[in-house]
Amino acid sequence: KNEVEQSPQNLTAQEGEFITINCSYSVGISALHWLQQHPGGGIVSLFMLSSGKKKHGRLIATINIQEKHSSLHITASHPRDSAVYICAVGGGGADGLTFGKGTHLIIQP
Amino acid sequence: DAGVIQSPRHEVTEMGQEVTLRCKPISGHDYLFWYRQTMMRGLELLIYFNNNVPIDDSGMPEDRFSAKMPNASFSTLKIQPSEPRDSAVYFCASRPGGASYEQYFGPGTRLTVT
Repeated sequence: KNEVEQSPQNLTAQEGEFITINCSYSVGISALHWLQQHPGGGIVSLFMLSSGKKKHGRLIATINIQEKHSSLHITASHPRDSAVYICAVGGGGADGLTFGKGTHLIIQP
Repeated sequence: DAGVIQSPRHEVTEMGQEVTLRCKPISGHDYLFWYRQTMMRGLELLIYFNNNVPIDDSGMPEDRFSAKMPNASFSTLKIQPSEPRDSAVYFCASRPGGASYEQYFGPGTRLTVT
């Protein structure tokens, strides 16, 4: 079974700061997902990646398959980025996702 | 498309009662997943279906939980009898077949068992 570790668990930063959230996993995967969950509960898929780097607006996700590690970066952070960010992995023989515990991000104005 | 639809959005029930959660996946998606989210354990896979067939139910906590997918557009998760420790948010997600791994989540059902 894949073990997914995220760090940090909690992060408070000031508006405008560069944010990095890390994720590591133990078993080879087909894809890694970064998800966002706002208070109130809905889950939104931000990125799905299996290699390299993806960028969407102020969000950047990278993955290093050899190191079994991924990072989610937020540039010019804004209070509306405050949410829980969850790393999830899938594949490697399993279609369902295995989730990290999430990073609770608060961006203060 | 309306996305993944779940009902009810909130359910409050008494211990011992039967609870049925419902999910309508995105049309054309081959896979359907049921996940549970609790404060203690985070998000966990309960069961998933491929083309209406249950593939992996190893995450189903115990025999009180059952899931069905009678057709491509409908799935149910049933808890009978319910217990307070079943209180959680239950998410349904779906994805296309093939090598498209992105999953689309429903809004969730918040279940409270008193």
